[in-house]
Amino acid sequence: DTAVSQTPKYLVTQMGNDKSIKCEQNLGHDTMYWYKQDSKKFLKIMFSYNNKELIINETVPNRFSPKSPDKAHLNLHINSLELGDSAVYFCASSQETSGGAVTGELFFGEGSRLTVL
Amino acid sequence: GQNIDQPTEMTATEGAIVQINCTYQTSGFNGLFWYQQHAGEAPTFLSYNVLDGLEEKGRFSSFLSRSKGYSYLLLKELQMKDSASYLCAVVDSNYQLIWGAGTKLIIKP
Repeated sequence: DTAVSQTPKYLVTQMGNDKSIKCEQNLGHDTMYWYKQDSKKFLKIMFSYNNKELIINETVPNRFSPKSPDKAHLNLHINSLELGDSAVYFCASSQETSGGAVTGELFFGEGSRLTVL
Repeated sequence: GQNIDQPTEMTATEGAIVQINCTYQTSGFNGLFWYQQHAGEAPTFLSYNVLDGLEEKGRFSSFLSRSKGYSYLLLKELQMKDSASYLCAVVDSNYQLIWGAGTKLIIKP
């Protein structure tokens, strides 16, 4: 069984469109994350959710919105896509104590490669 | 600002040993992770250091010196499958992960 799964793995779309990427984890972890990895390979935190509460929101445009129906799911919605949004988006989860503290390893999904034309 | 430095790329020979360095300047320190990422795949956990010294795990070892803001990942008996990027990440005083850009390791026969 895949621990952290995200869909779709590949997404090609036009500028201005709205798209979503779904993520599910079956590890029973309390916290889930969305990361963006650009062409320079930096992993940049976008959001993290702990028990359905947003606890990190870096300087991400409000076109990006996370949605968490329950603690096993964290979906990423992107409105009005721009060329600069092209990247690989990774979902991850970890078991944390409280307040977003990173106390254990992160388990990553396989990534979703988004290409905006 | 917060900064993690790693070499961009390294090349080594199959069967040899390679050391990948990581230096960091962060607001506080609450541990350092090493992850391996094969091309087109997700990062996977290798090691976690929070105290000074060497942690050994099979062919891979990780070293930490908090006073020097320095860590290294040591890979022994290199195999072709070790060709990957190796990411260093530091947990800062707010318990947030700060990631390096990764070191691409190329293994040659």
